[in-house]
Amino acid sequence: GQSLEQPSEVTAVEGAIVQINCTYQTSGFYGLSWYQQHDGGAPTFLSYNALDGLEETGRFSSFLSRSDSYGYLLLQELQMKDSASYFCAVSHTGGGNKLTFGTGTQLKVEL
Amino acid sequence: KAGVTQTPRYLIKTRGQQVTLSCSPISGHRSVSWYQQTPGQGLQFLFEYFSETQRNKGNFPGRFSGRQFSNSRSEMNVSTLELGDSALYLCASSLDGRRSYEQYFGPGTRLTVT
Repeated sequence: GQSLEQPSEVTAVEGAIVQINCTYQTSGFYGLSWYQQHDGGAPTFLSYNALDGLEETGRFSSFLSRSDSYGYLLLQELQMKDSASYFCAVSHTGGGNKLTFGTGTQLKVEL
Repeated sequence: KAGVTQTPRYLIKTRGQQVTLSCSPISGHRSVSWYQQTPGQGLQFLFEYFSETQRNKGNFPGRFSGRQFSNSRSEMNVSTLELGDSALYLCASSLDGRRSYEQYFGPGTRLTVT
C-alpha cells in the first residue's frame, strides 16, 4: 500500500520557524509536493522536490531525502495568515498527474 | 487567467440518487484530476483525465465515474449515492510535462447525502 504520514497538529508563535515532516511509503515515487489549505478554501501549491536537497521559495523551503523516504516543509518568519492545513503529496512514475496526499498537518500560529 | 471553476458549489442529495459535478480547468490545461476530501480519509484521488481519456484511476467503486470533453471541461458522476459519499469534491487542473506536479484546485463542490 501507499502511505504518507504527517503530524496531525503543530503550534508555533508568530515570527518563529516551524518544520512539518512527512514520511512516505509508496511505490513508483517521482517527487514530493507541498500544498496549503485554509479552512473552507482550496489547496494551493507551495513547493516541489524531485531530487534530494533543499528548495527555497521565499519564506517556505522544502527538503527531500529519497533514501530516507522523508521530506519536510520549513516555514520561516511565521505570520498569522500561515495558520492552515499543510499536505505533502507524492507524484508517481508511470505517467499521469495523480497525487497521493498525506494525512495533513494543521498549523496554528499564535501571538 | 481565470482559475478552476466548479459547479455547483453546494449540493444536497438523498441516498440512492445520482449526481453530476462539473469542472472547468484553467485555459490551456489539458489534465483534470478529481479528489474527494473528508475529515476521516483526507484527500483521496478519484481519477485523472487527459485529452478525453482516463489516464489514472483511484480506488473507488464503479459508482464513481467521470469524463472529459474536447474543451478539457470535465464532469464526474456518482450513482446510487450513499451517506458516506458526503464530502468535498475537488477538481484540479495542471499542465502536462515538466510542471505537471503543480496542480491548481477549484473551490470544490460540497456534497451532502441525507
